[in-house]
Parts: sequence; structure tokens; C-alpha cells
Amino acid sequence: GAGVSQTPSNKVTEKGKYVELRCDPISGHTALYWYRQSLGQGPEFLIYFQGTGAADDSGLPNDRFFAVRPEGSVSTLKIQRTERGDSAVYLCASSAGGPGTPYNEQFFGPGTRLTVL
Amino acid sequence: GESVGLHLPTLSVQEGDNSIINCAYSNSASDYFIWYKQESGKGPQFIIDIRSNMDKRQGQRVTVLLNKTVKHLSLQIAATQPGDSAVYFCAENSLSGGSYIPTFGRGTSLIVHP
Repeated sequence: GAGVSQTPSNKVTEKGKYVELRCDPISGHTALYWYRQSLGQGPEFLIYFQGTGAADDSGLPNDRFFAVRPEGSVSTLKIQRTERGDSAVYLCASSAGGPGTPYNEQFFGPGTRLTVL
Repeated sequence: GESVGLHLPTLSVQEGDNSIINCAYSNSASDYFIWYKQESGKGPQFIIDIRSNMDKRQGQRVTVLLNKTVKHLSLQIAATQPGDSAVYFCAENSLSGGSYIPTFGRGTSLIVHP
């Protein structure tokens, strides 16, 4: 079946602008995760949803970052007043179960490359 | 603080050789480890995992070894092929706020020469 998809694949914006990044998880997956990956680094956890609620948002760097998942499927990561330091690849992943157990395979999307000029 | 890291940032091998990618971790409470492969322009792809109650697990051409005594994890790829060229990450699932969230190391770039 279809994997995790993310749109847009690339986003170029100017400093101070607002952006929205979309994630479509694998159908039926209840858990959804957002990560940020800087060049040469591993993915860094941002936020995790179980269903519609944000179960863990401890990775969000500041209050300019916000994410929603209103119907428990598609999620949108929103970044206000973008800064050059926000430039990175934003990855989304989904899994069939929540991370209440450590043995939980995540499936990643291709990411959205955000460039803030 | 606790961390997951990799010893070698780049590994170059000849096609057909065996590859070994190493990873050190420091959180002795971690009980689940995962290796991911990431090709350019793509998200990480699950390769193999291992639970802390095991010291070895084999897949197709890949083997993961876990040494809890020295907190070391390795990924062995047999008969490496050009299609194996990618960045490889180890990750540990650690408990954060009641949830198990993967913590990724920096990654090792594997380059396979034909």
C-alpha cells in the first residue's frame, strides 16, 4: 500500500513568513511523529500524536512551532515567523501502535526540505 | 547526558566486501535499538532491530550485534552492493514523558565502490 507522504517536497520562504508542512500517514496508523533533520545529523524528535492529541511535544524548539492532527490522520506542522535556523528537512513518520511500547516500527516519509532565506 | 553516537562518519568499501558500522550508546536503560538506512532525498528506512535481551539478530544480508557490557551496537552487511550506499543511523528507543521516542545518532556514510 501507499507509504507516508509529505507535501510539499521543497519549500523556500523568506525570514519572518509563516509555513505549513503536511503529512499523510499510512492509512490506519494511529501514531504520527514529526522530526527535524539538519545536514549531516540524525533526525531530531519534535512531536508525537496518538490519534488526534499531541501525546508528547517536548521536542518542539519554541512556541513558533505548532502541529495539529484534527481528525487523527493527516497532520500539519506550522512554523510562524520563520528564521534562517529553521532551515532543515522535516520528516514525518507513522506507526501502527503508540510508543507505549519500545518495540514499535516507524515508517518515514521522504521529508519536506525547508529553506528560509 | 545520555547519547547515541557513531564511531566512523564515513566508510568506504569495495563491492562484495563485508561492511561493519559501529555505534556506541550510553543509556544503559535503553531496551530497544534500531538501524535505519537513509538514501539521498529519502526518509530513513528500517533495516533491522534488536531488543536488549538479545545479543545478535540476523536478517537478509544484515546482522546486528549488541554488546551491553560495553554499550556497543554494530551493523554487519554481507557482500556489500552499490545499492547499499547510503547513510546508516542507529537509534535507541528511550522513555520520554511516558512514550518511547527514538534518539538517533549522527550517522555513518557508507560508500560502496564497484
